[in-house]
Amino acid sequence: AQKITQTQPGMFVQEKEAVTLDCTYDTSDPSYGLFWYKQPSSGEMIFLIYQGSYDQQNATEGRYSLNFQKARKSANLVISASQLGDSAMYFCAMREDFTGNQFYFGTGTSLTVIP
Amino acid sequence: GAVVSQHPSWVICKSGTSVKIECRSLDFQATTMFWYRQFPKQSLMLMATSNEGSKATYEQGVEKDKFLINHASLTLSTLTVTSAHPEDSSFYICSATDPRGSYSNQPQHFGDGTRLSIL
Repeated sequence: AQKITQTQPGMFVQEKEAVTLDCTYDTSDPSYGLFWYKQPSSGEMIFLIYQGSYDQQNATEGRYSLNFQKARKSANLVISASQLGDSAMYFCAMREDFTGNQFYFGTGTSLTVIP
Repeated sequence: GAVVSQHPSWVICKSGTSVKIECRSLDFQATTMFWYRQFPKQSLMLMATSNEGSKATYEQGVEKDKFLINHASLTLSTLTVTSAHPEDSSFYICSATDPRGSYSNQPQHFGDGTRLSIL
């Protein structure tokens, strides 16, 4: 089974609107971390936001927030007030704290912000 | 600023050449680094886990003799693509986790990647 599933290969959003990028995960580890990365066309991987499995509140970092629904095993990324510079690939990732340092990545979502 | 440095950014070389890619952690010591390969519009594929002072752990299907990994110090891991052929052309990217602080919330820090083109 896939550890991380991103079901949206491509998404479009109007500039200044909000967009939600979906991510579901699969683990039996009680302690884990969920991460979102942005990869622009230049290739670098930019860390955006983190959510721990024991965190009670949803993580927020500026215009990024993570809609964490533990029972559903989902960790959707919400980008508010989209900007043209948000156009990029977005990857959801998970680390299982008891099984090592390895990160599992989803297949990614390509976001295009329309002016 | 960048915490993981990867060099070179671009490599174009002839078939049969061996290519070395360096990955350095800049302000922390990394006992473990990771090497990924990424095809266009696809996700990162973990190739191997580089362990300082010991042999790398390769993922299933990755040729150890083709992709040589050396982690000789706590701040440097190298990936050598030996006798490269056009099918080895890809984007290679390394990462490391800062071991300081709380373990669970530490992201992987990535290098900027290396675009390898074999002619």
